[in-house]
Amino acid sequence: RKEVEQDPGPFNVPEGATVAFNCTYSNSASQSFFWYRQDCRKEPKLLMSVYSSGNEDGRFTAQLNRASQYISLLIRDSKLSDSATYLCVVSGNTGTASKLTFGTGTRLQVTL
Amino acid sequence: GAVVSQHPSRVICKSGTSVKIECRSLDFQATTMFWYRQFPKQSLMLMATSNEGSKATYEQGVEKDKFLINHASLTLSTLTVTSAHPEDSSFYICSASGSGVTGYEQYFGPGTRLTVT
Repeated sequence: RKEVEQDPGPFNVPEGATVAFNCTYSNSASQSFFWYRQDCRKEPKLLMSVYSSGNEDGRFTAQLNRASQYISLLIRDSKLSDSATYLCVVSGNTGTASKLTFGTGTRLQVTL
Repeated sequence: GAVVSQHPSRVICKSGTSVKIECRSLDFQATTMFWYRQFPKQSLMLMATSNEGSKATYEQGVEKDKFLINHASLTLSTLTVTSAHPEDSSFYICSASGSGVTGYEQYFGPGTRLTVT
């Protein structure tokens, strides 16, 4: 079983749609959780950290369910520029630089 | 802030040669740097973790004699792929974390695309 599992997609949605990505992780000791965005042939860029209480940043909302070991990302009012691969990432520690474990990513394609 | 650069961005080399990739933190001191590799349509896989002034810690299955990592200063880490072969062709990405940035966040360099012919 992979440590971090994501639906690879692709998700093809029209502009303005709401789309949700899910992710599960296998290590119950994981402490830190993130969503990264990776454009084709580019490095990953941090989109947002994910907290137990849930957090929102503009059109993006992230949720964490520790009991189910499940992380989600909701994108509202999708833009063409949101087209990318979204990587679910977990880490074992908090407060210190720690090994990140990446999912394979979910590809999003927003169309006109 | 928290800018990480990599050089070169792209390199093509012949089988059997060695290639050095540099990773620099431009505006912060990177006490820890990480080296990843990403094959097409796959996730980033951590190769090794390096702390400034000490030996790198390699992930299982990564040959330390083939992938030499040096982290001699707080702003520079290098990865040398020795005796490269076509199967080493991949996208190599470094990330850095340290003082001046949030402790557990890593900032990624733009990556180096290696093609071994």
